[in-house]
Amino acid sequence: QKEVEQDPGPLSVPEGAIVSLNCTYSNSAFQYFMWYRQYSRKGPELLMYTYSSGNKEDGRFTAQVDKSSKYISLFIRDSQPSDSATYLCAMSASNTGNQFYFGTGTSLTVIP
Amino acid sequence: NAGVTQTPKFQVLKTGQSMTLQCAQDMNHNSMYWYRQDPGMGLRLIYYSASEGTTDKGEVPNGYNVSRLNKREFSLRLESAAPSQTSVYFCASRHPADLYNEQFFGPGTRLTVL
Repeated sequence: QKEVEQDPGPLSVPEGAIVSLNCTYSNSAFQYFMWYRQYSRKGPELLMYTYSSGNKEDGRFTAQVDKSSKYISLFIRDSQPSDSATYLCAMSASNTGNQFYFGTGTSLTVIP
Repeated sequence: NAGVTQTPKFQVLKTGQSMTLQCAQDMNHNSMYWYRQDPGMGLRLIYYSASEGTTDKGEVPNGYNVSRLNKREFSLRLESAAPSQTSVYFCASRHPADLYNEQFFGPGTRLTVL
């Protein structure tokens, strides 16, 4: 079983839609949860970071962590064509260690 | 401030050939990483270096070697390339005390092994 599972999509939505991206994980030691955005033929860039359970909001983006269910989500409100990218979840058990576990990524296209 | 740079951007090798992928960062980060990204597999850690002079294996180290030449540079070597090593390779760096656990990624090297 993979440490992190993520639906690869692809996901296609109209501009202005609310997008929900999700990951599940199996390792209860994970405490640090990240979402990276990767544009085509580019390296990933950190989008959101959450420690432990709860919600975090940054503009149109909201990250949720439910540790009891081992489930994390990224919501994008009022989606824009510029949000078209692959979104990767990532997790680690420590913020001082060097082992990070990534999901496979979900490809999102926002249609104008 | 260039961030993380990788060379080359593209490479085609024949089976059995060797090559070295270069990575450099100018952010004074201690930790550096090499990942490969394959369709349906996501990013998988090949090797990482917590500091100058140290390297450790990640999830998929077989067929690769690394060198942490100095604090800035971390190279990945394929001694005898195989078609299974066709992939996109990303180098990343991170400050170990970074509050957000953020890794900074380079633009990637697209490698094809025939």
